[in-house]
Amino acid sequence: DQQVKQNSPSLRVQEGRISILNCDYTNSMFDYFLWYKKYPAEGPTFLISISSIKDKNEDGRFTVFLNKSAKHLSLHIVPSQPGDSAVYFCAAIGYGGATNKLIFGTGTLLAVQP
Amino acid sequence: ETGVTQSPTHLIKTRGQQVTLRCSSQSGHNTVSWYQQALGQGPQFIFQYYREEENGRGNFPPRFSGLQFPNYSSELNVNALELDDSALYLCASSLGGQGGNEQFFGPGTRLTVL
Repeated sequence: DQQVKQNSPSLRVQEGRISILNCDYTNSMFDYFLWYKKYPAEGPTFLISISSIKDKNEDGRFTVFLNKSAKHLSLHIVPSQPGDSAVYFCAAIGYGGATNKLIFGTGTLLAVQP
Repeated sequence: ETGVTQSPTHLIKTRGQQVTLRCSSQSGHNTVSWYQQALGQGPQFIFQYYREEENGRGNFPPRFSGLQFPNYSSELNVNALELDDSALYLCASSLGGQGGNEQFFGPGTRLTVL
């Protein structure tokens, strides 16, 4: 049962344009969401997060939007740069007992072409 | 500030063997979480340790076990290895009894079971 879904396995964007990565979730109890970026041979790196009390959080070129009624969030990168090429994981915090475990989607491979 | 480190980088084992993976948490962090990332999938939560006690567990069998030491470093042990255990094993550290909302990942250990 996939509680966090990233339905686009890959995305290709031209340098300078906007990249939009999407994520859907099924559990309405999730109240904190994160985006991680992963390069080959490295661990995931935290990028940006959003609490369910907000609908937008911005950090430089990265903005995350949350639509709670649709159980949908998206990551916008603008302008996209070749160095942004990586796998992007959406994750939700699942408060199960005393543990804040991260529940990840399957990832989207972003390729930014010069 | 030292980041999260993991050893070894790569490991090859045969079915039925046992393996121990190691993780040193980021300086100042007292919580360690372990994740398994199979090919083409997002990381899956195995378990979490806080102050040397297991603090939550995902859907993994008992042959997956762990330890956390007084310096907050951690080990993941897997007994009776199966082919499906082949994956990237990620360790993440954070601050706080509930893991905090941001977890910082190490580069991972690539385990291959033949």
